[in-house]
Amino acid sequence: NAGVMQNPRHLVRRRGQEARLRCSPMKGHSHVYWYRQLPEEGLKFMVYLQKENIIDESGMPKERFSAEFPKEGPSILRIQQVVRGDSAAYFCASSPLFRFGSDHRGYTFGSGTRLTVV
Amino acid sequence: EDKVVQSPLSLVVHEGDTVTLNCSYEVTNFRSLLWYKQEKKAPTFLFMLTSSGIEKKSGRLSSILDKKELFSILNITATQTGDSAIYLCAVVSGGGADGLTFGKGTHLIIQP
Repeated sequence: NAGVMQNPRHLVRRRGQEARLRCSPMKGHSHVYWYRQLPEEGLKFMVYLQKENIIDESGMPKERFSAEFPKEGPSILRIQQVVRGDSAAYFCASSPLFRFGSDHRGYTFGSGTRLTVV
Repeated sequence: EDKVVQSPLSLVVHEGDTVTLNCSYEVTNFRSLLWYKQEKKAPTFLFMLTSSGIEKKSGRLSSILDKKELFSILNITATQTGDSAIYLCAVVSGGGADGLTFGKGTHLIIQP
């Protein structure tokens, strides 16, 4: 069981470029969550997806950010026209349970993608 | 808006000391509270607390929840350098976003 796989581990983009972050959930998990961790800040929820559905995107910035979780393949977090303030660690977590599942021990994080915008 | 506050934000102690990390919360429709340890990569699960007053224990780590006063503590006894990490507290609630609401974390450094 390879756990939650995120790639790339590190990503450097120039201002104005696009960043694509990928997350493959644990085998058997069909729920994916994206979080952003800014320096000196806690993890902030961005979006919750199931296969082909965005369930909750209340934490996503209104512009330039989008996420998908297609029927086949990993979940993608896409940031268009990156700015320096987008520099952060982006973590993905997956879970086998329906929203508000009573046992969050199954909620597993990936190792994150560190995005640096220069 | 759900809120989770951890204290202290950073803590430096010597090996062998006992530490207590604090987490207070204000959330809509509390469901559970979780503690994670974050070293250089993925946060790893430590405890999930749902009921007040029941201590969860794993080796030198223990945690307890007080739902009346809305806080939890994480204790680590006989600390070792391998305990150095950021300890994150997160709350699952029935209001607002589907994800976890995290505190900023406590950065714990254990000096030999």
